[in-house]
Amino acid sequence: QVQLVQSGAEVKKPGSSVKVSCKASGGTFSSYAISWVRQAPGQGLEWMGGIIPIFGTANYAQKFQGRVTITADESTSTAYMELSSLRSEDTAVYYCARGQPIIAAAGIEAFDAFDIWGQGTMVTVSS
Amino acid sequence: QSALTQPPSASGSPGQSVTISCTGTSSDVGGYNYVSWYQQHPGKAPKLMIYEVSKRPSGVPDRFSGSKSGNTASLTVSGLQAEDEADYYCSSYAVKHGLVFGTGTKVTVL
Repeated sequence: QVQLVQSGAEVKKPGSSVKVSCKASGGTFSSYAISWVRQAPGQGLEWMGGIIPIFGTANYAQKFQGRVTITADESTSTAYMELSSLRSEDTAVYYCARGQPIIAAAGIEAFDAFDIWGQGTMVTVSS
Repeated sequence: QSALTQPPSASGSPGQSVTISCTGTSSDVGGYNYVSWYQQHPGKAPKLMIYEVSKRPSGVPDRFSGSKSGNTASLTVSGLQAEDEADYYCSSYAVKHGLVFGTGTKVTVL
């Protein structure tokens, strides 16, 4: 049974960075497509980007380009999401999720059909 | 890229059907069959209910069905049950923006 287990809650100062981990158990991690989705308190879902570890290259939503870095370590079956220049609006629950790649004109452009989710990591940005 | 438009709320009595719409443009919902639907109970992670417009993952009851017409996708829940009360989100591939989610719909079972 495939499971995704995320790191614990974080409290950060504005302007700092946060790195959240997502460890997979079961299945073949390298072939997964792992995405990161966030949800601000009382708000909807927002896709941030994703990666297929075996390829190593991440795809990011335009909104987060330059501020988010998604990586994966095949040796530990762990994906990471690092968000920099934090502001109060980044306060949210951050989820990792396994999905399927969407292949469009420019190759893999996004991910979809998230069938397995991590438990979520609350990140609070406050001075 | 704005979020896809969903009605804020929908409701129905047990046993009835409820349909939730998800409206986008020809650059997302209308142009591609990468539309998914998620159910989210309070304090829980979302759960995939429908993918690629109308496909149901293993384990999802056939009371849940998806469809699309033009720029609008729909999720229908037939035979409403108390446990169907939750928030529902659609998502779609969007050109140049990757994946976009809908604004969310709160379904209430009366």
